[in-house]
Amino acid sequence: EVLLVESGGGLVQPGGSLRLSCAASGFTFSTFDMHWVRQVRGKGLEWVSGIGTAGDTYYPGSVKGRFTISRENVKNSLYLQLNSLRAGDTAVYYCARGMVRGVIGSAMDVWGQGTTVTVSS
Amino acid sequence: QSALTQPASVSGSPGQAITISCTGTSSDVGSYKLVSWYQQHPGKAPKLIIYEITKRPSGVSTRFSGSKSGNTASLTISGLQAEDEADYYCRSYAGSSTFVLFGGGTKLTVL
Repeated sequence: EVLLVESGGGLVQPGGSLRLSCAASGFTFSTFDMHWVRQVRGKGLEWVSGIGTAGDTYYPGSVKGRFTISRENVKNSLYLQLNSLRAGDTAVYYCARGMVRGVIGSAMDVWGQGTTVTVSS
Repeated sequence: QSALTQPASVSGSPGQAITISCTGTSSDVGSYKLVSWYQQHPGKAPKLIIYEITKRPSGVSTRFSGSKSGNTASLTISGLQAEDEADYYCRSYAGSSTFVLFGGGTKLTVL
């Protein structure tokens, strides 16, 4: 079974940092682009980062410089380092798999269940 | 860059067909075939239902179909069923600086 399982969410103070993890199983992780997408409670989806199979990274302007995506293929794991966190970063963070290798804009065909990040004092 | 524009809500009766629009610009929806649609039930992760404008992943009902005209993509659900009640999001590639945009989401109510 193809599976993505996120972890690492929690409560953090404004200005703090957090590292999210996503464990992949059931497919050859190293051959797929991967993404992080977040969702504020009651709001829509927002793409926050992507990484290609060669480690090339992509970010929207809203998080560039604060968030860092990385991957460790030997551990079938994806990571998201969140720095300088703000209240507006409070959301459920999902990891997702890109369908087409090397096409960062391709659809996301497998999603994890999400991990919740709460930024509050 | 702003999110793609979707209606906040649509509704339909069982058996009917509904269409959800997703309006972007010539820099995203209008320029690429990389438009996809996602279904999300409350408390659940999104599920891919349409990719590359018109294609359905294996296991997705043929009642779901996609299309695109100019800068607007559309999702049509025919033969509405109670289980279709969910939030729907479009997503498009937006070029080599913005990369990925989602729509604001549309809540589908089956009356």
